[in-house]
Amino acid sequence: EDKVVQSPLSLVVHEGDTVTLNCSYEVTNFRSLLWYKQEKKAPTFLFMLTSSGIEKKSGRLSSILDKKELSSILNITATQTGDSAIYLCAPVGSNYKLTFGKGTLLTVNP
Amino acid sequence: NAGVTQTPKFQVLKTGQSMTLQCAQDMNHEYMSWYRQDPGMGLRLIHYSVGAGITDQGEVPNGYNVSRSTTEDFPLRLLSAAPSQTSVYFCASSRATGADTQYFGPGTRLTVL
Repeated sequence: EDKVVQSPLSLVVHEGDTVTLNCSYEVTNFRSLLWYKQEKKAPTFLFMLTSSGIEKKSGRLSSILDKKELSSILNITATQTGDSAIYLCAPVGSNYKLTFGKGTLLTVNP
Repeated sequence: NAGVTQTPKFQVLKTGQSMTLQCAQDMNHEYMSWYRQDPGMGLRLIHYSVGAGITDQGEVPNGYNVSRSTTEDFPLRLLSAAPSQTSVYFCASSRATGADTQYFGPGTRLTVL
């Protein structure tokens, strides 16, 4: 059975802080790993990672995959209140199925 | 492109009633899937389809049926609604080959009394 563990489950920081969110997985026939941001609606796509060690960046967000350790991290620098959301990771396995972690609830206080 | 659309946005059912949640996409995506999201449980896969005429079960398929007669549509049927099916339901689609990124619809909030 595919498993995904995200940590921490919740995190409260102040604006300007840097955060690191973790995702560990055990997935059959691993293809890639996706990160999503979810506010009070549907998840929106952030990154897709397929190769180990290659950082993907988008503004203040960055992410990297470690296939040897079966893990990925999502970094957010200089956090803003608009970064408050649930961050979901989802490895893609057999038949393109996504298995979602429970998410990390990030709260950024002004 | 409208992307992934879902109807209705909200629905209240009584135990035992049946209904169909609609999902459509206009991106010519082969892969479509249904998830439910419950507090503290993340998103769980109900059913998915890798193309028209092909469907398969996900993690939590009991109580739900799907069919995929066209590439565009992927309806989810609740056969006999139960309070345990109270949840937010998301439909998603992606290209089956190449990009694995799934695009989500806006969701349907279902309450079963």
